[in-house]
Amino acid sequence: GESVGLHLPTLSVQEGDNSIINCAYSNSASDYFIWYKQESGKGPQFIIDIRSNMDKRQGQRVTVLLNKTVKHLSLQIAATQPGDSAVYFCAENSGGSNYKLTFGKGTLLTVNP
Amino acid sequence: EAGVAQSPRYKIIEKRQSVAFWCNPISGHATLYWYQQILGQGPKLLIQFQNNGVVDDSQLPKDRFSAERLKGVDSTLKIQPAKLEDSAVYLCASSLLDRHNSPLHFGNGTRLTVT
Repeated sequence: GESVGLHLPTLSVQEGDNSIINCAYSNSASDYFIWYKQESGKGPQFIIDIRSNMDKRQGQRVTVLLNKTVKHLSLQIAATQPGDSAVYFCAENSGGSNYKLTFGKGTLLTVNP
Repeated sequence: EAGVAQSPRYKIIEKRQSVAFWCNPISGHATLYWYQQILGQGPKLLIQFQNNGVVDDSQLPKDRFSAERLKGVDSTLKIQPAKLEDSAVYLCASSLLDRHNSPLHFGNGTRLTVT
């Protein structure tokens, strides 16, 4: 079975609100995690990554939090905009130096104007 | 920089026919991946190349799928013969070899429909 999963398959928020997308992973040996955004008809687009020696990393309007104790990853989007509407995937590298990314099922984020 | 290029964008074939997809990775990216993404699911790795050598093809259905990366740049993925369950988007991705844990950069994929 898949080692990466998401708690919520869909998330609907109002424009301007903050969004939180969650992800659970099962491989405690995973050392690198990535969040991707996928719009309809396009390939996954890199948003932000985090290594296992970090708990938090911030980008522009996005923050990724990593809780290794409970094997949980989250993506926070500040001031969500209609352009943020997409499917969001978390992915983990469970292959170590061989770099093998495993993707979860994804969460559909809908931003209402 | 130019992104990962894939062609064709769409392909419709009948079952038992053959099909081929092409990928041109980002210049300088030594590692190339083919993923299969079934509707409503996350991408699943089919094969990983490092330069022109195969690193991981454990999830490639080798009885019908094949892939090559001649000269360590462009790659083709072939399905012969296709089955209905092969209907999916086939994504190509590339990454830098010399950066451990660098993100994968994806193309926009080829949407395959098998009827």
